Amino acid sequence: GQQLNQSPQSMFIQEGEDVSMNCTSSSIFNTWLWYKQDPGEGPVLLIALYKAGELTSNGRLTAQFGITRKDSFLNISASIPSDVGIYFCAGDQETSGSRLTFGEGTQLTVNP
Amino acid sequence: DAGVIQSPRHEVTEMGQEVTLRCKPISGHNSLFWYRQTMMRGLELLIYFNNNVPIDDSGMPEDRFSAKMPNASFSTLKIQPSEPRDSAVYFCASSYRETQYFGPGTRLLVL
Repeated sequence: GQQLNQSPQSMFIQEGEDVSMNCTSSSIFNTWLWYKQDPGEGPVLLIALYKAGELTSNGRLTAQFGITRKDSFLNISASIPSDVGIYFCAGDQETSGSRLTFGEGTQLTVNP
Repeated sequence: DAGVIQSPRHEVTEMGQEVTLRCKPISGHNSLFWYRQTMMRGLELLIYFNNNVPIDDSGMPEDRFSAKMPNASFSTLKIQPSEPRDSAVYFCASSYRETQYFGPGTRLLVL
Protein backbone atom coordinates (compact mmCIF):
# COMPACT_ATOMS: atom_id res chain seq x y z
CA GLY A 1 0.00 0.00 0.00
CA GLN A 2 0.90 3.67 -0.07
CA GLN A 3 3.36 4.87 2.50
CA LEU A 4 4.00 8.16 4.21
CA ASN A 5 7.56 8.94 5.20
CA GLN A 6 7.48 10.89 8.43
CA SER A 7 10.56 12.55 9.85
CA PRO A 8 12.22 12.83 12.18
CA GLN A 9 11.44 9.63 14.05
CA SER A 10 12.25 11.29 17.36
CA MET A 11 13.16 14.70 18.70
CA PHE A 12 14.64 15.80 22.01
CA ILE A 13 14.30 19.53 22.60
CA GLN A 14 14.38 22.11 25.36
CA GLU A 15 11.26 23.83 26.54
CA GLY A 16 10.68 26.99 24.57
CA GLU A 17 12.22 25.73 21.36
CA ASP A 18 10.30 25.47 18.11
CA VAL A 19 9.69 22.08 16.50
CA SER A 20 9.19 21.07 12.90
CA MET A 21 8.24 17.68 11.48
CA ASN A 22 7.08 16.61 8.06
CA CYS A 23 5.59 13.88 5.97
CA THR A 24 6.27 13.10 2.35
CA SER A 25 4.90 10.64 -0.14
CA SER A 26 5.35 9.65 -3.74
CA SER A 27 1.58 9.75 -4.11
CA ILE A 28 -0.92 12.58 -4.11
CA PHE A 29 -3.23 13.02 -1.13
CA ASN A 30 -6.43 15.03 -1.00
CA THR A 31 -6.48 15.48 2.74
CA TRP A 32 -3.72 15.72 5.32
CA LEU A 33 -4.34 15.26 9.01
CA TRP A 34 -2.07 15.64 12.02
CA TYR A 35 -2.74 13.69 15.21
CA LYS A 36 -1.09 13.60 18.62
CA GLN A 37 -1.09 10.50 20.80
CA ASP A 38 -0.43 10.63 24.52
CA PRO A 39 0.64 7.46 26.35
CA GLY A 40 -2.30 5.17 26.96
CA GLU A 41 -4.67 7.21 24.82
CA GLY A 42 -5.93 7.27 21.28
CA PRO A 43 -4.69 9.69 18.63
CA VAL A 44 -6.30 13.10 18.94
CA LEU A 45 -6.82 15.26 15.89
CA LEU A 46 -4.78 18.46 15.92
CA ILE A 47 -5.19 19.96 12.47
CA ALA A 48 -6.96 18.95 9.26
CA LEU A 49 -5.92 20.27 5.84
CA TYR A 50 -8.15 19.97 2.80
CA LYS A 51 -6.61 22.13 0.05
CA ALA A 52 -3.20 22.23 -1.55
CA GLY A 53 -1.23 25.17 -0.20
CA GLU A 54 -3.50 25.55 2.82
CA LEU A 55 -1.82 26.86 5.94
CA THR A 56 -3.76 26.33 9.17
CA SER A 57 -2.99 27.20 12.77
CA ASN A 58 -4.31 25.83 16.03
CA GLY A 59 -2.78 27.78 18.89
CA ARG A 60 0.96 27.18 18.84
CA LEU A 61 0.59 24.60 16.07
CA THR A 62 0.80 25.41 12.38
CA ALA A 63 0.46 22.93 9.55
CA GLN A 64 0.64 23.24 5.79
CA PHE A 65 -0.68 21.15 2.93
CA GLY A 66 2.11 21.01 0.36
CA ILE A 67 1.42 22.58 -3.01
CA THR A 68 2.34 19.34 -4.77
CA ARG A 69 -0.17 17.44 -2.58
CA LYS A 70 2.62 15.02 -1.71
CA ASP A 71 3.78 16.51 1.57
CA SER A 72 2.79 18.30 4.72
CA PHE A 73 4.58 19.80 7.69
CA LEU A 74 3.69 20.56 11.29
CA ASN A 75 5.37 23.26 13.35
CA ILE A 76 5.06 23.72 17.09
CA SER A 77 6.24 27.03 18.44
CA ALA A 78 7.53 27.71 21.94
CA SER A 79 7.28 24.08 23.05
CA ILE A 80 6.10 23.21 26.55
CA PRO A 81 6.40 19.96 28.52
CA SER A 82 2.83 18.88 27.73
CA ASP A 83 3.72 18.80 24.03
CA VAL A 84 5.42 15.48 24.75
CA GLY A 85 3.89 12.62 22.79
CA ILE A 86 3.85 10.93 19.43
CA TYR A 87 2.75 12.99 16.44
CA PHE A 88 1.29 11.22 13.42
CA CYS A 89 0.56 12.52 9.98
CA ALA A 90 -2.17 10.86 7.99
CA GLY A 91 -3.28 11.28 4.41
CA ASP A 92 -6.44 10.42 2.56
CA GLN A 93 -6.22 9.80 -1.16
CA GLU A 94 -9.96 10.00 -1.55
CA THR A 95 -12.43 12.52 -0.23
CA SER A 96 -14.66 10.06 1.53
CA GLY A 97 -12.40 9.52 4.51
CA SER A 98 -12.52 5.85 3.75
CA ARG A 99 -8.92 4.95 4.30
CA LEU A 100 -6.19 6.93 5.97
CA THR A 101 -2.53 6.20 5.44
CA PHE A 102 -0.50 6.93 8.57
CA GLY A 103 3.08 8.00 8.98
CA GLU A 104 5.24 6.12 11.45
CA GLY A 105 5.10 8.92 13.98
CA THR A 106 7.49 11.41 15.53
CA GLN A 107 8.24 10.91 19.22
CA LEU A 108 8.70 14.33 20.81
CA THR A 109 10.43 14.79 24.14
CA VAL A 110 10.53 18.24 25.73
CA ASN A 111 13.01 18.83 28.54
CA PRO A 112 11.92 21.43 31.08
CA ASP B 1 -20.28 15.84 23.09
CA ALA B 2 -19.16 12.32 23.84
CA GLY B 3 -16.38 11.04 21.68
CA VAL B 4 -15.87 7.51 20.46
CA ILE B 5 -16.43 5.12 23.35
CA GLN B 6 -14.62 1.82 23.62
CA SER B 7 -14.86 -0.98 26.14
CA PRO B 8 -13.18 -2.53 27.87
CA ARG B 9 -10.17 -0.23 28.24
CA HIS B 10 -8.01 -3.14 29.29
CA GLU B 11 -8.36 -6.87 28.71
CA VAL B 12 -6.13 -9.68 29.91
CA THR B 13 -7.00 -13.14 28.73
CA GLU B 14 -5.48 -16.53 28.16
CA MET B 15 -4.58 -17.98 24.81
CA GLY B 16 -7.54 -19.71 23.21
CA GLN B 17 -10.19 -17.57 24.85
CA GLU B 18 -12.66 -15.46 22.94
CA VAL B 19 -12.23 -11.71 23.15
CA THR B 20 -14.88 -9.16 22.22
CA LEU B 21 -14.09 -5.48 21.90
CA ARG B 22 -16.86 -2.92 21.71
CA CYS B 23 -17.20 0.49 20.14
CA LYS B 24 -19.80 3.23 20.13
CA PRO B 25 -19.08 5.78 17.39
CA ILE B 26 -19.84 9.47 17.55
CA SER B 27 -23.51 10.09 16.87
CA GLY B 28 -24.10 11.10 13.26
CA HIS B 29 -20.89 9.60 11.94
CA ASN B 30 -21.47 7.14 9.09
CA SER B 31 -18.08 5.46 8.92
CA LEU B 32 -16.42 3.29 11.54
CA PHE B 33 -12.87 1.95 11.55
CA TRP B 34 -11.04 -0.67 13.61
CA TYR B 35 -7.26 -0.28 13.96
CA ARG B 36 -4.55 -2.24 15.72
CA GLN B 37 -1.43 -0.56 17.06
CA THR B 38 1.82 -2.32 17.96
CA MET B 39 5.36 -1.11 18.39
CA MET B 40 6.53 -3.19 15.47
CA ARG B 41 3.83 -2.41 12.92
CA GLY B 42 2.43 0.93 14.04
CA LEU B 43 -1.21 1.70 13.27
CA GLU B 44 -2.86 -0.86 11.00
CA LEU B 45 -6.37 -0.59 9.60
CA LEU B 46 -8.20 -3.85 10.16
CA ILE B 47 -11.64 -3.13 8.73
CA TYR B 48 -13.98 -0.25 8.09
CA PHE B 49 -17.72 0.12 7.75
CA ASN B 50 -19.73 2.69 5.85
CA ASN B 51 -23.38 3.03 6.82
CA ASN B 52 -23.04 -0.19 8.86
CA VAL B 53 -21.82 -2.19 5.86
CA PRO B 54 -18.28 -3.65 5.85
CA ILE B 55 -16.42 -2.04 2.96
CA ASP B 56 -12.85 -3.24 3.28
CA ASP B 57 -11.72 -6.05 5.56
CA SER B 58 -8.43 -6.70 3.80
CA GLY B 59 -6.54 -5.72 6.94
CA MET B 60 -8.11 -8.40 9.09
CA PRO B 61 -5.21 -10.72 9.92
CA GLU B 62 -7.01 -14.03 9.62
CA ASP B 63 -10.26 -15.84 10.12
CA ARG B 64 -9.91 -15.66 13.86
CA PHE B 65 -10.88 -11.99 13.59
CA SER B 66 -14.42 -10.88 12.83
CA ALA B 67 -16.22 -7.56 13.09
CA LYS B 68 -19.86 -6.60 13.07
CA MET B 69 -21.85 -3.41 13.04
CA PRO B 70 -25.48 -4.28 13.73
CA ASN B 71 -26.56 -0.64 13.88
CA ALA B 72 -25.21 2.87 13.53
CA SER B 73 -24.29 3.17 17.18
CA PHE B 74 -22.47 -0.07 17.92
CA SER B 75 -19.72 -2.28 16.58
CA THR B 76 -17.78 -5.27 17.86
CA LEU B 77 -14.43 -6.78 17.01
CA LYS B 78 -14.12 -10.40 18.04
CA ILE B 79 -11.04 -12.60 18.23
CA GLN B 80 -11.68 -16.31 18.57
CA PRO B 81 -9.48 -18.04 19.55
CA SER B 82 -7.05 -15.43 20.80
CA GLU B 83 -3.29 -15.88 20.56
CA PRO B 84 -0.39 -14.08 22.30
CA ARG B 85 0.55 -12.35 19.05
CA ASP B 86 -2.82 -10.60 19.11
CA SER B 87 -1.63 -8.53 22.07
CA ALA B 88 -1.87 -4.90 21.01
CA VAL B 89 -3.92 -1.76 21.45
CA TYR B 90 -7.10 -1.83 19.39
CA PHE B 91 -8.63 1.48 18.38
CA CYS B 92 -12.02 2.28 17.02
CA ALA B 93 -12.48 5.50 15.04
CA SER B 94 -15.48 7.11 13.40
CA SER B 95 -15.94 9.80 10.79
CA TYR B 96 -18.57 11.70 8.91
CA ARG B 97 -16.35 12.80 6.04
CA GLU B 98 -12.58 12.97 5.81
CA THR B 99 -11.69 13.37 9.47
CA GLN B 100 -11.47 10.35 11.72
CA TYR B 101 -11.87 10.61 15.48
CA PHE B 102 -10.32 7.92 17.61
CA GLY B 103 -11.51 6.28 20.77
CA PRO B 104 -9.22 5.74 23.78
CA GLY B 105 -8.42 2.18 22.72
CA THR B 106 -8.55 -1.26 24.29
CA ARG B 107 -5.24 -2.59 25.52
CA LEU B 108 -5.31 -6.35 24.98
CA LEU B 109 -2.87 -8.78 26.52
CA VAL B 110 -3.13 -12.44 25.59
CA LEU B 111 -1.11 -14.70 27.86
